[in-house]
Amino acid sequence: EIVMTQSPATLSVSPGERATLSCRASQSVSSNLAWYQQKPGQAPRLLIYGASTRATGIPARFSGSGSGTEFTLTISSLQSEDFAVYYCQQYNNWPLYTFGQGTKLEIK
Amino acid sequence: EVQLVESGGGLVQPGGSLRLSCAASGFTFSSYSMNWVRQAPGKGLEWVSYISSSSSTIYYADSVKGRFTISRDNAKNSLYLQMNSLRAEDTAVYYCARETQDSSSWYGCFDYWGQGTLVTVSS
Repeated sequence: EIVMTQSPATLSVSPGERATLSCRASQSVSSNLAWYQQKPGQAPRLLIYGASTRATGIPARFSGSGSGTEFTLTISSLQSEDFAVYYCQQYNNWPLYTFGQGTKLEIK
Repeated sequence: EVQLVESGGGLVQPGGSLRLSCAASGFTFSSYSMNWVRQAPGKGLEWVSYISSSSSTIYYADSVKGRFTISRDNAKNSLYLQMNSLRAEDTAVYYCARETQDSSSWYGCFDYWGQGTLVTVSS
């Protein structure tokens, strides 16, 4: 099983600032990495796939980078609606998909 | 508009069974692989099961293998999860999720999710 580890567990950032979230895989997943946003009481929403491709309708302030075992989700200028929990997911080991444990992005 | 609507959750005793359903609309259901993903209360996401568009390929997480059965009916645009021998640790919100496709390829991530259905296993 590929283990996905996200850091930090909680990130406190002020609105308008940049947020950088990290995800590490226990072995290479190439670029087969997705990011999701989840707000309380809601289903996850796909943000990024292929490590860096924004999903349909996702604002340009969300960007993804990385390959192999190290990945980053960057939110360039935080809006109030961006405070949520973010998950990474690998799909390289098809279809035994695994998620990271999540990073909670909170208002500083 | 793509919609996935789960149903069938509820309270069940340990060792009991439940059948979850997911009704799909707004897309060609028979062209997409589908998955079940669950989330225990206050916890992260856990992939549960995968089924290909034609039902020819099926996979399960080790945590549910031998107890859960995924199936689909393309004529009814529906996905199912039969859950037997339920345990307390199966308590979670269960989501059905569509795998992502674009013009060039498919991707093992999930672009549409249902609202989820809560399964509680308790005596």
